[in-house]
Amino acid sequence: DVQLVESGGGLVQPGGSLRLSCAASGFTFSNYWMTWVRQAPGKGLEWVANIKGDESKKYYLDSVRGRFTISRDNVENSLYLQMDGLRAEDTAVYYCARDDTHYDGTAYYDGFDIWGQGTIVTVSS
Amino acid sequence: ATRLTQSPSSLSASIGDRVTITCRASQAIRKDLGWYQQKPGKAPKFLIYAASTLQSGVPSRFSGSGSGTDFTLTISSLQPEDFATYYCLQDYDYPRTFGQGTRVEIK
Repeated sequence: DVQLVESGGGLVQPGGSLRLSCAASGFTFSNYWMTWVRQAPGKGLEWVANIKGDESKKYYLDSVRGRFTISRDNVENSLYLQMDGLRAEDTAVYYCARDDTHYDGTAYYDGFDIWGQGTIVTVSS
Repeated sequence: ATRLTQSPSSLSASIGDRVTITCRASQAIRKDLGWYQQKPGKAPKFLIYAASTLQSGVPSRFSGSGSGTDFTLTISSLQPEDFATYYCLQDYDYPRTFGQGTRVEIK
């Protein structure tokens, strides 16, 4: 079965750090872009960062750039999100997702087709 | 950043109703838009990409249309399992952005 399982969430004080992990199985991990999406309590979805299969490209939400670092290990089939300088507004459920790319002959289209169950990050003193 | 505005923010509908949700982009984004369904406490589910192409396994009562700045998600005959929150997402540029969501409730 194709599966993503996140771990590493928890309670951390403002200014602290956490490292989220996402273990992938059932597909050739290195062939796919991977993404982190978060959802604050009672709020909508927010894209956080993504990374290309060979790690050659990474993109970040402006509000996390310089504080969060996305990385991956294609041998261990794992995705990571190192979160430093955490703020109260980073409190959310964090999901990892597989970013599948479709080509219709003229253009490429992305879609997050596989999601993990989410891991909760709470930033509070 | 491309801003996506969904309307309505919520709606009430009955089983069998036809439901339409709109997503408007702050700039032209070709067909680079997808739709997602999320139920409470669950991860989102991928429904549509390229504005109108159904993801494998998604029921045919779901359809999408639009290009440029205006997009719609239509559920042709609402089923009990369709009560959820729906989000659009643009993959035209970075940062990727979601609409604020549309909650579909039982009337």
